[in-house]
Amino acid sequence: DAGVTQSPTHLIKTRGQQVTLRCSPKSGHDTVSWYQQALGQGPQFIFQYYEEEERQRGNFPDRFSGHQFPNYSSELNVNALLLGDSALYLCASSLMGQGIEKLFFGSGTQLSVL
Amino acid sequence: AQKITQTQPGMFVQEKEAVTLDCTYDTSDQSYGLFWYKQPSSGEMIFLIYQGSYDEQNATEGRYSLNFQKARKSANLVISASQLGDSAMYFCAMSPRTDSSYKLIFGSGTRLLVRP
Repeated sequence: DAGVTQSPTHLIKTRGQQVTLRCSPKSGHDTVSWYQQALGQGPQFIFQYYEEEERQRGNFPDRFSGHQFPNYSSELNVNALLLGDSALYLCASSLMGQGIEKLFFGSGTQLSVL
Repeated sequence: AQKITQTQPGMFVQEKEAVTLDCTYDTSDQSYGLFWYKQPSSGEMIFLIYQGSYDEQNATEGRYSLNFQKARKSANLVISASQLGDSAMYFCAMSPRTDSSYKLIFGSGTRLLVRP
């Protein structure tokens, strides 16, 4: 049973470019959340998708957007990249309404903005 | 605003000994959940243990136990019989509801190094 898979594992971009990160949730999960983890810090919640809609959003600018597909996979898009966007981007999946939801995290995409 | 504070940037422990990782939290909510995650160098966040704010008993999961002191707003993680594979970053986190972890607020983490 595959867990949460993210692609690519590493990515290098330059300032001003746009990037798309991808996430496939764990089998049986229908909810995807995205987190940004800057070096030396804990992850910060970006947003959550359920039923192809953004349900919750953290304190991130509109340059960060996402999408969820009918197969529950998700994309995170970041426009007009800034140096400060360099971070590990973690995707987490869960099953909505299943009581205490233990988020299953992927190994992340390491984004470097030069 | 909700906040998690982990005051120990790094900790050492001898193999087979117990270690306590500190976590304090700040919230005005009555209902919330507290979590501990382990992050090895691979980057993946691994769920360790959960405590709901209304749970009267401290949570335990194998070698992990959560020392929940509600009045002090602390949720310390105790790892018994440390193993070399326990060396990793450990994050305390909080969710605004006890029935869902859909939005977690994380602390800055503690790096644990287990010495042979």
